[in-house]
Amino acid sequence: DIQMTQSPSTLSASVGDRVTITCRASESISSWLAWYQQRPGKAPTLLIYKASSLQSGVSSRFRGSGSGTEFTLTISNLQPDDLATYYCQKYNDYLWTFGQGTKVEIK
Amino acid sequence: QVQLQESGPRLVKPSETLSLTCSVSGGFISSYYWSWIRQPAGKGLEWIGRIYPGGNSNYNPALKSRVAMSADTSKNQISLTLTSVSAADTAVYYCARGNAVFGMDVWGQGTTVTVSS
Repeated sequence: DIQMTQSPSTLSASVGDRVTITCRASESISSWLAWYQQRPGKAPTLLIYKASSLQSGVSSRFRGSGSGTEFTLTISNLQPDDLATYYCQKYNDYLWTFGQGTKVEIK
Repeated sequence: QVQLQESGPRLVKPSETLSLTCSVSGGFISSYYWSWIRQPAGKGLEWIGRIYPGGNSNYNPALKSRVAMSADTSKNQISLTLTSVSAADTAVYYCARGNAVFGMDVWGQGTTVTVSS
């Protein structure tokens, strides 16, 4: 089974910073990767699909990139509202697997 | 817009069966995959499995022996059954709509299930 590994597990940044989260797959998943945001106490919401496509209604400050085994989620101009845990998820085959999550804290 | 609502018992005894329902409004369940995902308190998301109404289902290998999903198109509902539960199955359970292009684009609010005697 393909494993998904995110780094870092936690990051702390200031308002206005640019932050980058990495997700690595143990085998190639082409571009079949999604990113989700989960604010405290809330259900996850879809941010990015197919590695780099922005879900409708999501701020353009969120950008996804990558293909194959390495992917990144970049958040530009970090805002207090971005306090959340971010998960990557592969959906290239019949097993949909999440990364372990990256918690973004605001300094 | 499409909305999902999970429902079912909040407390289940060890060794018994957990049963949850996801009611879908604002759209039909056909033509999409429907997944169940769970999240123990303070931990990450775990994909349980998915079902395509009228088609197949796929399950997380770690749970495959205990999980079953079904779809009722007449009621526009998806169901989850998890047998022989233990405290490790205590979690918030979410249902989500998915497809092969978007991943999972609509999520329910989640329901907390506690396994305890």
